[in-house]
Amino acid sequence: DVKVTQSSRYLVKRTGEKVFLECVQDMDHENMFWYRQDPGLGLRLIYFSYDVKMKEKGDIPEGYSVSREKKERFSLILESASTNQTSMYLCATAEVWGGNTIYFGEGSWLTVV
Amino acid sequence: AQRVTQPEKLLSVFKGAPVELKCNYSYSGSPELFWYVQYSRQRLQLLLRHISRESIKGFTADLNKGETSFHLKKPFAQEEDSAMYYCALKGYGQNFVFGPGTRLSVLP
Repeated sequence: DVKVTQSSRYLVKRTGEKVFLECVQDMDHENMFWYRQDPGLGLRLIYFSYDVKMKEKGDIPEGYSVSREKKERFSLILESASTNQTSMYLCATAEVWGGNTIYFGEGSWLTVV
Repeated sequence: AQRVTQPEKLLSVFKGAPVELKCNYSYSGSPELFWYVQYSRQRLQLLLRHISRESIKGFTADLNKGETSFHLKKPFAQEEDSAMYYCALKGYGQNFVFGPGTRLSVLP
């Protein structure tokens, strides 16, 4: 059973703060993703990574960066949080080959005040 | 470009009634299509995929390449089906593209 763990479920940060969202998976999957989930907009891809130290921009990368130093860990960084980044953030993983299923974490609800 | 649309933000049906959640996609090749579901206070999880041609929890979905659609259907809705449903496409590369979602509310 795939386990995708997002360490912070609920966070409240101030405008301008640097925010780290951590995600760890235990299935040795190559691909990891960060999505943002907003009502009416669905899931929008921020960044994904297909290997250690490799990353690709998604549809809405502005204001975000990522880090993947180890295969099992994928971090999302908000360099200077803004109120329009208040959202639910979902981490996900998938295999490269035969990877027809994407597995999600429980989500991190970030409020920026 | 890869794109998934779900025209209904909210769909309300009575228990026992048939339900159809619409999904259309744009993709120039042969995509893989999925339906994901998120029940209240649970993580997003796979419901079914077109390649498996399976029925899960009474739901089925048929890929219609001519209409570029992948509608989700169930003949008799149950209250426990109330959830958020996302249609998704896996196309170029390893990326998954999700639609905006449809909230299904099954009324008693």
